[in-house]
Amino acid sequence: DTGVSQDPRHKITKRGQNVTFRCDPISEHNRLYWYRQTLGQGPEFLTYFQNEAQLEKSRLLSDRFSAERPKGSFSTLEIQRTEQGDSAMYLCASSPAPGSYEQYFGPGTRLTVT
Amino acid sequence: GESVGLHLPTLSVQEGDNSIINCAYSNSASDYFIWYKQESGKGPQFIIDIRSNMDKRQGQRVTVLLNKTVKHLSLQIAATQPGDSAVYFCAEMGEYGNKLVFGAGTILRVKS
Repeated sequence: DTGVSQDPRHKITKRGQNVTFRCDPISEHNRLYWYRQTLGQGPEFLTYFQNEAQLEKSRLLSDRFSAERPKGSFSTLEIQRTEQGDSAMYLCASSPAPGSYEQYFGPGTRLTVT
Repeated sequence: GESVGLHLPTLSVQEGDNSIINCAYSNSASDYFIWYKQESGKGPQFIIDIRSNMDKRQGQRVTVLLNKTVKHLSLQIAATQPGDSAVYFCAEMGEYGNKLVFGAGTILRVKS
């Protein structure tokens, strides 16, 4: 499978717990993006990486959220002290290189905070 | 972004008919636009894209039209099939070529 993969696909957690999601982009794609999508809405940008450098973060990304891409390949998104408002689909996308705008999305991780 | 929440616009078409899905974008400086298809429980799937120096682009059974004067984008699907049933989103690329800004989405229902 050469597409973007995400793990886990579903996560149910209790309020206050920490969760971590993983994204594996398409091989050799330099750019990696995280988006959040709530029911009935389009995805909203959270952050993106160019190789291992995190170049932009949305104001949606509170200090409870942190993302890493340590070796410029896979990325993790961690949410600390989860709140019910964090319940959403977390989508990862990758893009080949600067100047190539196509973004290919993974299947997403559905987070439910109870 | 702007959204109608759970009450997304819905387009119902008969199998075999052509579908036209419309989208208004917000940033006149946007240089690039994409249409995505999203099925329930799945991530958005790339359909077709267009740059701002074009006004039309065709793919397999799909055509995207761009009207920069009124900041309007449309997706035309020829001979719509049941497998086309999904939510369709348009997205515009931010002026620095990094993040996508998505519209609210349109539900397409294909009746057999």
